[in-house]
Amino acid sequence: RKEVEQDPGPFNVPEGATVAFNCTYSNSASQSFFWYRQDCRKEPKLLMSVYSSGNEDGRFTAQLNRASQYISLLIRDSKLSDSATYLCAVTRRGNQGGKLIFGQGTELSVKP
Amino acid sequence: EAGVVQSPRYKIIEKKQPVAFWCNPISGHNTLYWYRQNLGQGPELLIRYENEEAVDDSQLPKDRFSAERLKGVDSTLKIQPAELGDSAVYLCASSPHVDLEMETQYFGPGTRLLVL
Repeated sequence: RKEVEQDPGPFNVPEGATVAFNCTYSNSASQSFFWYRQDCRKEPKLLMSVYSSGNEDGRFTAQLNRASQYISLLIRDSKLSDSATYLCAVTRRGNQGGKLIFGQGTELSVKP
Repeated sequence: EAGVVQSPRYKIIEKKQPVAFWCNPISGHNTLYWYRQNLGQGPELLIRYENEEAVDDSQLPKDRFSAERLKGVDSTLKIQPAELGDSAVYLCASSPHVDLEMETQYFGPGTRLLVL
């Protein structure tokens, strides 16, 4: 079992839909949490850090549940330009701090 | 501000040949990472540098992979000899090392390696 697991994709949704991605992590030493976006044949780019109280950035909302070891990303009013692969990632405490451990990614395709 | 620079962008080699990738991090970033991303998977860390010191190379296959960051700035990752299973995208990332666990890592465009 991988340390970070995401919903298998792809997700195909119409424009304007709300879509939610889920991610679970197995190592309780995980310290920090992130969502990255990766366009086809491009590098990952940070979309949002995920804070314990949850956080929102425009149409994007990230939630963290430490007890269940679960992270989510909600995209409201999805746009064609949201089509990409969404990667969740965690870092650990201590001497492996800074090492991003990624899930396998969930592909999103937003259709007109 | 210039981002992370990597070269070459693409490389096709035959198995058993050597190959090298180069990375120049964002100016002033002390921490440099090499990740490997296989098709359909997330990136996996190969090695992390703090300045010129490799502080986490636990996932680097040391029988064929080597890396260096001699002056604590740019870095080279080498594979010798390459195997078919090494076909992947090799991503370099850097961060400023202020708050390592929370800070953003900035990725370069990657080198796409195909081993035939």
